[in-house]
Amino acid sequence: TQLLEQSPQFLSIQEGENLTVYCNSSSVFSSLQWYRQEPGEGPVLLVTVVTGGEVKKLKRLTFQFGDARKDSSLHITAAQPGDTGLYLCAGASGGSYIPTFGRGTSLIVHP
Amino acid sequence: EAGVAQSPRYKIIEKRQSVAFWCNPISGHATLYWYQQILGQGPKLLIQFQNNGVVDDSQLPKDRFSAERLKGVDSTLKIQPAKLEDSAVYLCASSLGYGANQPQHFGDGTRLSIL
Repeated sequence: TQLLEQSPQFLSIQEGENLTVYCNSSSVFSSLQWYRQEPGEGPVLLVTVVTGGEVKKLKRLTFQFGDARKDSSLHITAAQPGDTGLYLCAGASGGSYIPTFGRGTSLIVHP
Repeated sequence: EAGVAQSPRYKIIEKRQSVAFWCNPISGHATLYWYQQILGQGPKLLIQFQNNGVVDDSQLPKDRFSAERLKGVDSTLKIQPAKLEDSAVYLCASSLGYGANQPQHFGDGTRLSIL
């Protein structure tokens, strides 16, 4: 059983469209991190959210941490081909320092 | 700053053979992680070091996998003997401190194929 469930698993859209991907859990997380991984490379950290209800923006990307700190979302506005990649959420729950990753959402943005 | 270095980038071996991976973390980073990423899945933590001590190795198959970080800097991960299900990308990451909020910096991984 995955501690962090990500949806959708795959997403294929056209350039200019908006999209939202989700990261859900039944556990409370002290923080959640979002990474993007491109083929043949390691994941790169995009953002860390810590406070319930927190919203962070990174250019066209908007990250939200749920009030109960059990879920998070990533919204991309006007997607570009450069946004293509695997989006992973990660966190540690229950006071643990051991990070757990979700399975990721694979995004393809067509020009 | 130089990133996390891993070698080799690719390795192909037959089942029951041995293989070793090397990782050099970002200078000054105390925490080092080894992950296994099977195709279509997220990274799974195998072992976490704080300096040269093991913080967690609960998901490391200790009958065949071993890892060390003797001087608290670079690290090696070994598989002996390899099984078909070990085919995966092995990622090394490092972070400056220790804790759930610490951003992890990843290397590009070693892609292992078992024949």
